[in-house]
This record gives sequence, C-alpha cells and structure tokens, in this order.
Amino acid sequence: KAGVTQTPRYLIKTRGQQVTLSCSPISGHRSVSWYQQTPGQGLQFLFEYFSETQRNKGNFPGRFSGRQFSNSRSEMNVSTLELGDSALYLCASSLEGHHTDTQYFGPGTRLTVL
Amino acid sequence: DQQVKQNSPSLSVQEGRISILNCDYTNSMFDYFLWYKKYPAEGPTFLISISSIKDKNEDGRFTVFLNKSAKHLSLHIVPSQPGDSAVYFCAANYGGSQGNLIFGKGTKLSVKP
Repeated sequence: KAGVTQTPRYLIKTRGQQVTLSCSPISGHRSVSWYQQTPGQGLQFLFEYFSETQRNKGNFPGRFSGRQFSNSRSEMNVSTLELGDSALYLCASSLEGHHTDTQYFGPGTRLTVL
Repeated sequence: DQQVKQNSPSLSVQEGRISILNCDYTNSMFDYFLWYKKYPAEGPTFLISISSIKDKNEDGRFTVFLNKSAKHLSLHIVPSQPGDSAVYFCAANYGGSQGNLIFGKGTKLSVKP
C-alpha cells in the first residue's frame, strides 16, 4: 500500500499571503489529522477530519482551516500568513480515528514565510 | 503546560548496547501511548504502542514499558544499531481525543559504531 503523501513538499510564501496544503491518506483510511512542528513548540495538533467532518480542533487561530473530501483526501489552508507560521506541517491518517488506531504520517510540507 | 515530557533532549549510546528513552506524562486520562522515530526531512514513523491495560509490549528489538502509578514509560532498544540514530517522540492519547496525539518534544538518539 502507498503511504501518506503530501504536496507540495516545500513552499515559500510572504507575509499576508495564503497557502493550501494537500494530504492523501493511506487507501482505506478515513481519518486525517494535521500537525504543526516547530523547534520551540514541537508537534502540535491542528485538527482532525473524518467522513468530511471536522471532529476535533487544536488551539490554533481561525486563520488555520481545513477540509476533507469524499475520497478522504484533505487540505489545510492558512490565510494571512505570519512569520511564525513557518513550520513543518504534517498530516497523518488512520483507519477510523479511534484513539487506539495507529496514525501514519506523511513526509510533511515545509512552509517558509518571509 | 506540557502533558507529555521527554526530559532528555539527547542520548548517546554505543552500538550493540541498550538504549533507554524515557517519557513522563501528567494527564491521568491518557490510556494509549505510542513511540515514533523521526529522521530529518521525513515524517514520524510509528514504532510501537502500548495500552494502559498492559505494562509491557515487545516488537523485535523494541520494548515499551509502562508504569501507570509513576506516569512513566520507557522505550528500550536492544541491541542498538547506527541506523537507530534519529529523534524519538513519545505520544499519548485517550478515548474521545479523536485524532489528537499529544507529543513530547523528542529525544535525539545517537548510536556510535
């Protein structure tokens, strides 16, 4: 089975712009979670989608949003980019999103905001 | 407030010896714990997990121990190999957390030949 894929792998944007990142889960996986990794804060949960619905959300401002499509693919969007949004954005998929379902991560999208 | 703590930012071990990585947690609701390994420029790779109803789980060279009373878990790698050099993350969650893994900040393991 193919793993979790994320596109693009690298992105450079300027402050004030918006960005959309894409994630394709492992075939058969219906839950997708997004995380932000920064050197200072580590890995932090952004949100989780299951069956096109956001079921859980972390402590991030409303500029961070996401969606999930009927084929379980997911996108996250960050509007009005700030310098502090520079990070590695990771998505992870699992079968149903139960807390005992293993989450498998993609390679991440490295976002740099100038 | 950090709910999952990995107090050792780095660990250096000789090839063939045991590596022990430690993790502490504060939230009593956590009942499922995982370890991930991460190489630079890659996403975390799942290693091993343990439910709170167990105190030990083994998978090949990797063993995770859970001490619920101390809210402590550890990952043992025996024998350590140079390819094990990576950052190791401890993560935890609980029923109803729905996709939200709480991660520690990681321990960088270096295995020297």
